[in-house]
Amino acid sequence: AQSVSQHNHHVILSEAASLELGCNYSYGGTVNLFWYVQYPGQHLQLLLKYFSGDPLVKGIKGFEAEFIKSKFSFNLRKPSVQWSDTAEYFCAGAFSGAGSYQLTFGKGTKLSVIP
Amino acid sequence: DAGVIQSPRHEVTEMGQEVTLRCKPISGHDYLFWYRQTMMRGLELLIYFNNNVPIDDSGMPEDRFSAKMPNASFSTLKIQPSEPRDSAVYFCASSPGPQPQHFGDGTRLSIL
Repeated sequence: AQSVSQHNHHVILSEAASLELGCNYSYGGTVNLFWYVQYPGQHLQLLLKYFSGDPLVKGIKGFEAEFIKSKFSFNLRKPSVQWSDTAEYFCAGAFSGAGSYQLTFGKGTKLSVIP
Repeated sequence: DAGVIQSPRHEVTEMGQEVTLRCKPISGHDYLFWYRQTMMRGLELLIYFNNNVPIDDSGMPEDRFSAKMPNASFSTLKIQPSEPRDSAVYFCASSPGPQPQHFGDGTRLSIL
């Protein structure tokens, strides 16, 4: 069955540190990948998406992600985090075989940025 | 541009009561999704609609759960009778077609 896994449950960083959150998926076919962010008490917001083309995707708020097909990975990066980046981050995939409108979410990674 | 609107934001009720959650998708979006978020299971898709028609309800946990979409601008998720294990945050999302989905603020449901 298709799945999305996020390796880190909770990441704690100091401001200005670099961030990389891991995401791996399990599926051999066409996949669309997403990163969402959920600030405390708020809804999920789309950070960035990958459908096809350039595997390095730039999103909002200075985030980027790289799709590496050979590693089934879609890691999220930011060169310098801010306190306001404190939130929970969800990786999600839409797998063509399962009906591309259905999103499968990872369990999320909570990011705490210390001023 | 209004986003996905959900109501109520919070609901606290006693076990056995009927609970109705409401969602207004973004105008022009043909797809509507209901998700449940819990600490233990994360985000789970319950059901989704295309042009007001339920397409896949395999994620609905039990017959106590039902969802309707009587028109393009309104959907409900109903739990009857409610149980404490139904306590979660329920999100509605909509999309114009292929991804991505736009999420509402969610309804935090507590069943006592």
